[in-house]
Amino acid sequence: ETGVTQTPRHLVMGMTNKKSLKCEQHLGHNAMYWYKQSAKKPLELMFVYSLEERVENNSVPSRFSPECPNSSHLFLHLHTLQPEDSALYLCASSQKREGGPDTQYFGPGTRLTVL
Amino acid sequence: GQNIDQPTEMTATEGAIVQINCTYQTSGFNGLFWYQQHAGEAPTFLSYNVLDGLEEKGRFSSFLSRSKGYSYLLLKELQMKDSASYLCAATDSNYQLIWGAGTKLIIKP
Repeated sequence: ETGVTQTPRHLVMGMTNKKSLKCEQHLGHNAMYWYKQSAKKPLELMFVYSLEERVENNSVPSRFSPECPNSSHLFLHLHTLQPEDSALYLCASSQKREGGPDTQYFGPGTRLTVL
Repeated sequence: GQNIDQPTEMTATEGAIVQINCTYQTSGFNGLFWYQQHAGEAPTFLSYNVLDGLEEKGRFSSFLSRSKGYSYLLLKELQMKDSASYLCAATDSNYQLIWGAGTKLIIKP
């Protein structure tokens, strides 16, 4: 069973709404990630919070805004989204270490539909 | 640029063996991951290879050839529950994951 939880699991919103996605990891990891998964496309990394630093993909529109209040919680705030933003949004966590790869553990995702 | 290629979809028969291939081009290389993702569920970690050769974990094995930029995931004694998407991801010199689009595996009775 995954130690990463996400809420809500499904979300339908209009283009003028504001909503937030929540992620919580119970694994004691020091890094958290937001990914966008669209059908038949590679996972797209949106944001990384690692050791209190934020790294973002410059191609992510400003209508997506992350927040990481502590190492266990991660939010993705959504506002004025477009229909093409409809996708599965996955949260992941990992234990980053110097000079080595880290295995990412994923939550079940939020299926977002923008009308 | 950095790129991962894997087949979009494969079909196999219950009880058989299937091999899912993955080729990668990355700036530097620090290993390759395979994940399994059932429809509507989280991707789950299957394997990590950084050295050439075959690593076996029960019915699943993963192979890596660094010189050829090539990996495969081998699934033996296929079961219906193995129907899922299989994601290949290579780690570049900055330990960033470069993801493939996934291979949807359909198991038929």
